[in-house]
Amino acid sequence: EPEVTQTPSHQVTQMGQEVILRCVPISNHLYFYWYRQILGQKVEFLVSFYNNEISEKSEIFDDQFSVERPDGSNFTLKIRSTKLEDSAMYFCASRGGRANYGYTFGSGTRLTVV
Amino acid sequence: GQQVMQIPQYQHVQEGEDFTTYCNSSTTLSNIQWYKQRPGGHPVFLIQLVKSGEVKKQKRLTFQFGEAKKNSSLHITATQTTDVGTYFCNAGGTSYGKLTFGQGTILTVHP
Repeated sequence: EPEVTQTPSHQVTQMGQEVILRCVPISNHLYFYWYRQILGQKVEFLVSFYNNEISEKSEIFDDQFSVERPDGSNFTLKIRSTKLEDSAMYFCASRGGRANYGYTFGSGTRLTVV
Repeated sequence: GQQVMQIPQYQHVQEGEDFTTYCNSSTTLSNIQWYKQRPGGHPVFLIQLVKSGEVKKQKRLTFQFGEAKKNSSLHITATQTTDVGTYFCNAGGTSYGKLTFGQGTILTVHP
């Protein structure tokens, strides 16, 4: 079964550093998403991406965040200057163009900011 | 996506007992999706319901969509320890719309 692949699985970074979280969505999917889940809390939407541009973003997705699909296969989330409160599990998800398909999530990247 | 309320927030059962979680909306939903997240894992799509009164089964799991398309339920028959996790319902919006996760129902199964 096709998978969404995320790398790395764990990332530890110093506060103020930039991190790039990488995702390879399912190849024929058209819609891409980033979500995050702070430990013990619910999954929160960050951003959706379609046709090479952001289609929707949440209040969490401020100027320190950016997304890119640089080469038609990778989908990246960049956090420019990490803060302690950015520590969370970050999930990438993708969805096909047909309305009956559910969202496929990757296994996540656990980001720890120290 | 539209917001739905899900109950209960927590459920503890003995292995072999049945389990049901309910989702309710004040507005008519175009569709509803169910996901499961194991402890430490990622959300996994289970099913989508679209039609009024629809009932779908996946082995021990039975999903229902209400006649008015305002509520849905997931019923697990004879729970097993592998059923442990958080079950989420999400109201579908446009084909590209985001999922809005609630707290879900956290199921604990005691052996």
